[in-house]
Amino acid sequence: DSGVTQTPKHLITATGQRVTLRCSPRSGDLSVYWYQQSLDQGLQFLIQYYNGEERAKGNILERFSAQQFPDLHSELNLSSLELGDSALYFCASSVGPGGTGANVLTFGAGSRLTVL
Amino acid sequence: GEDVEQSLFLSVREGDSSVINCTYTDSSSTYLYWYKQEPGAGLQLLTYIFSNMDMKQDQRLTVLLNKKDKHLSLRIADTQTGDSAIYFCAESGVKNSWGKLQFGAGTQVVVTP
Repeated sequence: DSGVTQTPKHLITATGQRVTLRCSPRSGDLSVYWYQQSLDQGLQFLIQYYNGEERAKGNILERFSAQQFPDLHSELNLSSLELGDSALYFCASSVGPGGTGANVLTFGAGSRLTVL
Repeated sequence: GEDVEQSLFLSVREGDSSVINCTYTDSSSTYLYWYKQEPGAGLQLLTYIFSNMDMKQDQRLTVLLNKKDKHLSLRIADTQTGDSAIYFCAESGVKNSWGKLQFGAGTQVVVTP
């Protein structure tokens, strides 16, 4: 157990629907990262939050949004789902925002989203 | 194109050494990392190296960094069946806003008895 908790583990939904993925970071970590892993695109960075504020943005679609709450848990909202959104979504956490020293990310086990 | 590139597959016999290679393009990369992903699990950090180092050893793992050629390798000594997994190379630095890690596509390592 890495200490990063993601729910749900598996999710099957239909095109056009909206889903929310949830992540609780490891105790003491203030940064949360979301990554999408698919066979054709590999691991793609979506977004990073640090202590409630957006810190860095990657290849996140406009249909996707995220936030980090005061208790530091984070949610990734995926809307108007398409078949191509089927992927494994990972959450990771780290102590700091990055920028000094190595940025060690601890990953959760992922949420597998299947869009039919 | 990708900022971090890895070969996709490596087959190795149990007891032999495995060498997984990675190249990156960003000369401002400051830290380079190796992560391991087992089936059905998230990524687990194995080791990392600061860009001003040439080598780092940690038990069965040896990381070699050639900064001039932007080439990173991970050597696993005495490879075991439990080492079968996907190995990801990643880098962080100024270009990637420090916190974000840029990952390669991953190398699937299969260990045969």
